[in-house]
Amino acid sequence: GESVGLHLPTLSVQEGDNSIINCAYSNSASDYFIWYKQESGKGPQFIIDIRSNMDKRQGQRVTVLLNKTVKHLSLQIAATQPGDSAVYFCADQGDSNYQLIWGAGTKLIIKP
Amino acid sequence: KAGVTQTPRYLIKTRGQQVTLSCSPISGHRSVSWYQQTPGQGLQFLFEYFSETQRNKGNFPGRFSGRQFSNSRSEMNVSTLELGDSALYLCASSLGQGHYNEQFFGPGTRLTVL
Repeated sequence: GESVGLHLPTLSVQEGDNSIINCAYSNSASDYFIWYKQESGKGPQFIIDIRSNMDKRQGQRVTVLLNKTVKHLSLQIAATQPGDSAVYFCADQGDSNYQLIWGAGTKLIIKP
Repeated sequence: KAGVTQTPRYLIKTRGQQVTLSCSPISGHRSVSWYQQTPGQGLQFLFEYFSETQRNKGNFPGRFSGRQFSNSRSEMNVSTLELGDSALYLCASSLGQGHYNEQFFGPGTRLTVL
């Protein structure tokens, strides 16, 4: 069946270091991927998205890499700050134009 | 610009009861989607409303229903509550329907079923 999974449930990084959060997807037909950030007590917040005709997209301090060959997606956060502490979700278009398939999330912990 | 608001923020019910959750989207947004989030799980899509019509539905039983009003506000109802319905229910609004439109989430309603 279709699924979107994250490789690690928790990622702990030193403040100032770069963070890399990974995600695998199973539907080779998916052409749209989104990363969301959810802080404690809040709803998810859009970070960045990428379409399958790209393999890299950059935002402010974040970069998303897409490897369609191995169906793998990653989110890189540069110079991680305490405010980056959150659960990060990848979401995949799946078979639908209206429904996203969400991964289980990776909790990012920042060590001072 | 005010964000998506959800009421109530917390709710405790017992099995067999029913519950109604409310969502007010960002002004101008016509699409409202509902999601269920359980601990350690990603978001599970419930349904999406656009212009007062349900446009898409996830794999949830008929006990879960919703509606959208002419002002785009939306309500979600769960009847005959079960223990497994305990979750965070999130509402998201967007300008148009479909996930190519950026979704803005509310803080959620935490439902506990005893």
